[in-house]
Amino acid sequence: GQQLNQSPQSMFIQEGEDVSMNCTSSSIFNTWLWYKQDPGEGPVLLIALYKAGELTSNGRLTAQFGITRKDSFLNISASIPSDVGIYFCAGFNTNAGKSTFGDGTTLTVKP
Amino acid sequence: ETGVTQSPTHLIKTRGQQVTLRCSSQSGHNTVSWYQQALGQGPQFIFQYYREEENGRGNFPPRFSGLQFPNYSSELNVNALELDDSALYLCASSPDWAGSKNIQYFGAGTRLSVL
Repeated sequence: GQQLNQSPQSMFIQEGEDVSMNCTSSSIFNTWLWYKQDPGEGPVLLIALYKAGELTSNGRLTAQFGITRKDSFLNISASIPSDVGIYFCAGFNTNAGKSTFGDGTTLTVKP
Repeated sequence: ETGVTQSPTHLIKTRGQQVTLRCSSQSGHNTVSWYQQALGQGPQFIFQYYREEENGRGNFPPRFSGLQFPNYSSELNVNALELDDSALYLCASSPDWAGSKNIQYFGAGTRLSVL
């Protein structure tokens, strides 16, 4: 089945630093999604990407849909303590009707 | 606050028992999906319901079953519980499976522990 490889698995950074994480797949997706999950909560959608090559921003977050449709990255600029959490990528195909999630990147921000 | 509520928040069962988890979708959403999230992993798709019918299923055995009601609320039932079923179960609703561009709104989940 489809699998997503998300890296890095965890990151420890200083407040103010920029962060980059990415997701690769052996299969093509027609939608890429990035979520953040806080402890005790469900995932919350951060950015959705619908076209190969698309670059989308949401505040300090920027994500891109890879040209090959098999990868995506998420950048966070000028990190702050509330950025702490687990970030998940997910690929979606309309035909399959389901989202396939990566195993997450755990972000720790030191004040 | 996503408008998706799940109950109960925590549950402890023993191996072999049966469990029912409930989800109330965001108002106006006719599609609901269920995911299993094991510790340290991403959510794994169990199945999706659209207008009361199953509309896709992941790699889960038949002892995982579901229902969607006319008001679009939903249940996940798991029979013959196994230790490996211990996980966070997430419900996600969306306005329409075909045209929603997969904007799913997740509940906070039910933490199931099987002893």
